[in-house]
Amino acid sequence: QVQLQESGPGLVKPSETLSLTCTVSGSSVSGGYYWGWIRQPPGKGLEWIGYVFDDSVTTHYNSSLKSRVTISIDTSKKNFSLRLRSVTAADTAVYYCARLGVAGRGNWFGPWGQGTLVTVSP
Amino acid sequence: DIQMTQSPSSLSAFVGDRVTITCRASQSIATYLNWYQQKPGKAPKLLIYAASSLESGFPPRFSGSGSGTDFTLTINSLQPEDFATYYCQQSYSTPALTFGGGTKVEIK
Repeated sequence: QVQLQESGPGLVKPSETLSLTCTVSGSSVSGGYYWGWIRQPPGKGLEWIGYVFDDSVTTHYNSSLKSRVTISIDTSKKNFSLRLRSVTAADTAVYYCARLGVAGRGNWFGPWGQGTLVTVSP
Repeated sequence: DIQMTQSPSSLSAFVGDRVTITCRASQSIATYLNWYQQKPGKAPKLLIYAASSLESGFPPRFSGSGSGTDFTLTINSLQPEDFATYYCQQSYSTPALTFGGGTKVEIK
């Protein structure tokens, strides 16, 4: 059973870089899946941030965040990471990692990590 | 960008009711539409993929239908554990993905 777990600081100062890691257990990250990040501001809906393929080269980012985001993968460590630069209070959210299944019938996120709240504050 | 609009944004229903949630895409997305269930304080879970395929682990009272721009999530005989927020998500415009705004299902 594939399980994902986010880790990283829960508090980041404005203008600094948010860094999170997602550790995968029960599966290799080299199985031909994409691995992604999604966030949810308090009381609001879901926003996809981006995802990375297990080749470590192929990445796709939400155009609204593309200039500030980097997602990378470490297949040897079975984890992938999110870096979001120059954060503001608007980046305060619960950040989820998830596997993105890719099939002829579409792409869907599952399973998901439990999520981690990151607050941007001085 | 493809916009996804869910309606209603919230609803109240009794246990045992039949509930219908609608998701509309700003352009045709064939059947590239997924549904997720999110309970308070928890991560979303994939519920329906490819418009109508039920993810394993969910009971058959959940069903999805639709194609093109209009999609429906139906819950037959609503159960106490079904009270949650439901999100649709399109993958037609992959790599760009879009979620709907969510529909909160509450107890009446």
